[in-house]
Amino acid sequence: GAGVSQSPSNKVTEKGKDVELRCDPISGHTALYWYRQSLGQGLEFLIYFQGNSAPDKSGLPSDRFSAERTGGSVSTLTIQRTQQEDSAVYLCASSPRGRGYEQYFGPGTRLTVT
Amino acid sequence: QKEVEQNSGPLSVPEGAIASLNCTYSDRGSQSFFWYRQYSGKSPELIMFIYSNGDKEDGRFTAQLNKASQYVSLLIRDSQPSDSATYLCAVNRGTYKYIFGTGTRLKVLA
Repeated sequence: GAGVSQSPSNKVTEKGKDVELRCDPISGHTALYWYRQSLGQGLEFLIYFQGNSAPDKSGLPSDRFSAERTGGSVSTLTIQRTQQEDSAVYLCASSPRGRGYEQYFGPGTRLTVT
Repeated sequence: QKEVEQNSGPLSVPEGAIASLNCTYSDRGSQSFFWYRQYSGKSPELIMFIYSNGDKEDGRFTAQLNKASQYVSLLIRDSQPSDSATYLCAVNRGTYKYIFGTGTRLKVLA
């Protein structure tokens, strides 16, 4: 079946602009994660959604970052007033209920803030 | 001290040799441990996970866990050039949060 998809694959934006990154998880997967991977760094946890429960936003680096998940499926990560340090690859992963260790990652969105 | 530490490498091994990748973690409450492989420009994919002390084998891969010493390792037997990638170690404390290391870059030389 289809894997996790993300769009756009690449995004170049000017400092101060807002961007929206989209994630389509695998159908039926209840858990959805957003991570950020900067050059030479590991994956930095941003936010976690599980079903209809309140998300864990503890990893969001500032209040310029927000995310939502509509209908327990598609998720959008929004970065307002982008800064150069926001440049990174943003990865989305989903996992089936009860098997959170099976994270299936999307191809990522490479964000470049100029 | 980082929660999950890995040597960034690159670790270079000849084709057919055993590649040994190591990871240490700081939180003794960590319960489960994962190895992901990430090819350049691609997203991570899960290779193995281990919960109990000792060894866990899956094909050419063996994960080793020593909770007393707080390290987990991944052995790749009969290394192939196609194994060349960055290997990420991840640790879980029994919740949904996974802490990733920065990865070790492996180069298998033909």
